Amino acid sequence: GNSVTQMEGPVTLSEEAFLTINCTYTATGYPSLFWYVQYPGEGLQLLLKATKADDKGSNKGFEATYRKETTSFHLEKGSVQVSDSAVYFCALSDLHRDDKIIFGKGTRLHILP
Amino acid sequence: DAGVIQSPRHEVTEMGQEVTLRCKLISGHNSLFWYRQTMMRGLELLIYFNNNVPIDDSGMPEDRFSAKMPNASFSTLKIQPSEPRDSAVYFCASSPREGARGNTIYFGEGSWLTVV
Repeated sequence: GNSVTQMEGPVTLSEEAFLTINCTYTATGYPSLFWYVQYPGEGLQLLLKATKADDKGSNKGFEATYRKETTSFHLEKGSVQVSDSAVYFCALSDLHRDDKIIFGKGTRLHILP
Repeated sequence: DAGVIQSPRHEVTEMGQEVTLRCKLISGHNSLFWYRQTMMRGLELLIYFNNNVPIDDSGMPEDRFSAKMPNASFSTLKIQPSEPRDSAVYFCASSPREGARGNTIYFGEGSWLTVV
């Protein structure tokens, strides 16, 4: 079945550091890939997505590239801010199988001023 | 456009009591998801509906949990009787049936349940 594995947190960085959160997936079909972000006390919200191989999703300085050959969708940001502190979830969906979205366990990110 | 609306935002109840969580979908959306989030287990899909029909309820923990979608825009998740281990944040989410890949789902702000 489909699954998502992302690096365990927490990840603690200083402001302006470079960020990478790793995500790999297993899928039998051709999934779409997502990163969702959850700020304290809130629900998850879409950060970015990519629907086919080699697509790059980007938003708010974050980006991730859909790599079919390595089954990965790593999240990166060149210079993080304190306001980026949140939990980040990698996810996939395969509409050709069903409408479910499979989430990773989430990675908590702390940015120190 | 209003997002997914959940109520109550916070509930504290005694063990054994019935709990009903409510969710209003975004207008025009066809799919509805209930998730539960805890520190120990992370984000778990409990059940999802397409066009008011339950498609997959394999994540519902046990018979104490039930979910309904009486119309296209509204859903309830009921726990009866509630137990302390049910304490969690319950999220409702909806998505449009786009008929294409890239099925973004939109989350409500969650119902924070504490069973004492």
